[in-house]
Amino acid sequence: RKEVEQDPGPFNVPEGATVAFNCTYSNSASQSFFWYRQDCRKEPKLLMSVYSSGNEDGRFTAQLNRASQYISLLIRDSKLSDSATYLCVVSRGGGSYIPTFGRGTSLIVHP
Amino acid sequence: GAGVSQSPSNKVTEKGKDVELRCDPISGHTALYWYRQSLGQGLEFLIYFQGNSAPDKSGLPSDRFSAERTGGSVSTLTIQRTQQEDSAVYLCASSHRTSYQETQYFGPGTRLLVL
Repeated sequence: RKEVEQDPGPFNVPEGATVAFNCTYSNSASQSFFWYRQDCRKEPKLLMSVYSSGNEDGRFTAQLNRASQYISLLIRDSKLSDSATYLCVVSRGGGSYIPTFGRGTSLIVHP
Repeated sequence: GAGVSQSPSNKVTEKGKDVELRCDPISGHTALYWYRQSLGQGLEFLIYFQGNSAPDKSGLPSDRFSAERTGGSVSTLTIQRTQQEDSAVYLCASSHRTSYQETQYFGPGTRLLVL
């Protein structure tokens, strides 16, 4: 089992749609969780951290389920500008901050 | 303020040549990471520097790869005797740890093509 697994997509949705991505991780000792966004031929940029209680930032909501070892990202009212690859990132844990990146989920928002 | 910068932005080299890639982290960031990303692939961790501690080299794919960080700031990734499979985007990230998390800020990357 890969350390961090994501459905590569692509998810092809119309503007205004709600879309959700899931990510599973294998290391139960992982402590830190993030979603990054990567545009084509650009570097990854932090979208949001993921906290145990779940957190929201505008149209974006992240959830963590430690028991099932997955995190999710919900995007409401999709915009064309949301088209990108979304990377799930999980730290190794056990005192290590070194992150493991998923291969990403591609989102295409069309008019 | 200034972000993470990397140079060169693009590098084309011949198989067997050595290359050096440079990363200037955000001032004050104690942690520095190198990754590589092949076309259509995820980020592959290479090496991690944290302050004055010994670097974590566990991700380096072979002994042809090495990196150093001078004065706790600028870092250089060196690939000796390059091979075609080394072609990828090499990304550098720096971070400052707060509490139990740290957010990474990435540079624009160096696109390496080995012919």
